[in-house]
Amino acid sequence: KAGVTQTPRYLIKTRGQQVTLSCSPISGHRSVSWYQQTPGQGLQFLFEYFSETQRNKGNFPGRFSGRQFSNSRSEMNVSTLELGDSALYLCASSFTGAEETQYFGPGTRLLVL
Amino acid sequence: DQQVKQNSPSLSVQEGRISILNCDYTNSMFDYFLWYKKYPAEGPTFLISISSIKDKNEDGRFTVFLNKSAKHLSLHIVPSQPGDSAVYFCAALNTDKLIFGTGTRLQVFP
Repeated sequence: KAGVTQTPRYLIKTRGQQVTLSCSPISGHRSVSWYQQTPGQGLQFLFEYFSETQRNKGNFPGRFSGRQFSNSRSEMNVSTLELGDSALYLCASSFTGAEETQYFGPGTRLLVL
Repeated sequence: DQQVKQNSPSLSVQEGRISILNCDYTNSMFDYFLWYKKYPAEGPTFLISISSIKDKNEDGRFTVFLNKSAKHLSLHIVPSQPGDSAVYFCAALNTDKLIFGTGTRLQVFP
């Protein structure tokens, strides 16, 4: 069974631009969660989608948004990029959102210049 | 406000010896904890978990200990192997969200 895939793997943007990241969950998984990983803050929860609905949200500004499609694929969008948005963005999928069964993708490394 | 803390950013251990990774949390309502392992250029992979009704859970070379009164958990790896070199994250489950620590980089040398 194919794992969680994320595209693109690397991205360079400049301040003020916007970016869209994509995540394809494991087949059959309906929950997709997004995390931001930075050296000083570790992994921080962004939001979780289940059946096209945002079910949980972390403490990030409104510039960070997401959506989920009917095939469970999810996208994450960051508008008006700031230097501090440079990070590794990870998505994880699971059948129902039970965190102990989450499977992570390899991440998208975003660099904002 | 870091609710889950891993105060040691790095740890170096000789092959065959025990590795002990520590994690502290602040919210006594947390009742389920997990450890993830992360290699470079890969996403974290689930390693082992423990419920607050237990104080120990063992899986092969990996054992997690939970001390609820101290709000402290630790991951023991014995014997340590070079392939264990990775970043280890502890996480707490809080109302269907995972709260991660900042990670500890373990280096196992021959």
